[in-house]
Amino acid sequence: EAGVAQSPRYKIIEKRQSVAFWCNPISGHATLYWYQQILGQGPKLLIQFQNNGVVDDSQLPKDRFSAERLKGVDSTLKIQPAKLEDSAVYLCASSLEWGQGSYEQYFGPGTRLTVT
Amino acid sequence: EDQVTQSPEALRLQEGESSSLNCSYTVSGLRGLFWYRQDPGKGPEFLFTLYSAGEEKEKERLKATLTKKESFLHITAPKPEDSATYLCAVQGRNQAGTALIFGKGTTLSVSS
Repeated sequence: EAGVAQSPRYKIIEKRQSVAFWCNPISGHATLYWYQQILGQGPKLLIQFQNNGVVDDSQLPKDRFSAERLKGVDSTLKIQPAKLEDSAVYLCASSLEWGQGSYEQYFGPGTRLTVT
Repeated sequence: EDQVTQSPEALRLQEGESSSLNCSYTVSGLRGLFWYRQDPGKGPEFLFTLYSAGEEKEKERLKATLTKKESFLHITAPKPEDSATYLCAVQGRNQAGTALIFGKGTTLSVSS
């Protein structure tokens, strides 16, 4: 079974530029998450989708971050404009729909973003 | 506010030297407690889910246990390949969704 795919793996941009990350979840997983992991910290949720609807985006800095999952499969996370403090690893995870008995989240390899 | 605290931050062991990692949590209604392993440059890898106090799960040299306030990850006779950061996370019933709330992790180094 293929895992969660993410691209690009690495990205370096200057502050005030824009950047986009892509995620393709495990086939059949209705729930998709984007997490931000700053060096030395645990991952922190940015946004959760159930199919193509947003479940939780309470910690997403909406003035600069946006995310979409138009067809309920793959997803894109965008930052515009980027700030120095956005330097982090952006992790995508997926899981079965709640109530289907398996709540584990499976993570992709992440995208390491460096803002200079 | 739901919170997870892991200790120690870093742990150095000799090969074969057993030890335990601690995860203390406060959550409004625990749905599940999760353990993940993260290697440098990679995403977290799922290890265990525990749902209720008294539950235990094992996988190779790892054993996870759960009480009402904390979880332990016991490592028996570790090998150098067990070196990684171990993350603990909780899922609470009062969240809007089903996101995981993570601790900062314990970085384990096992030398031969």
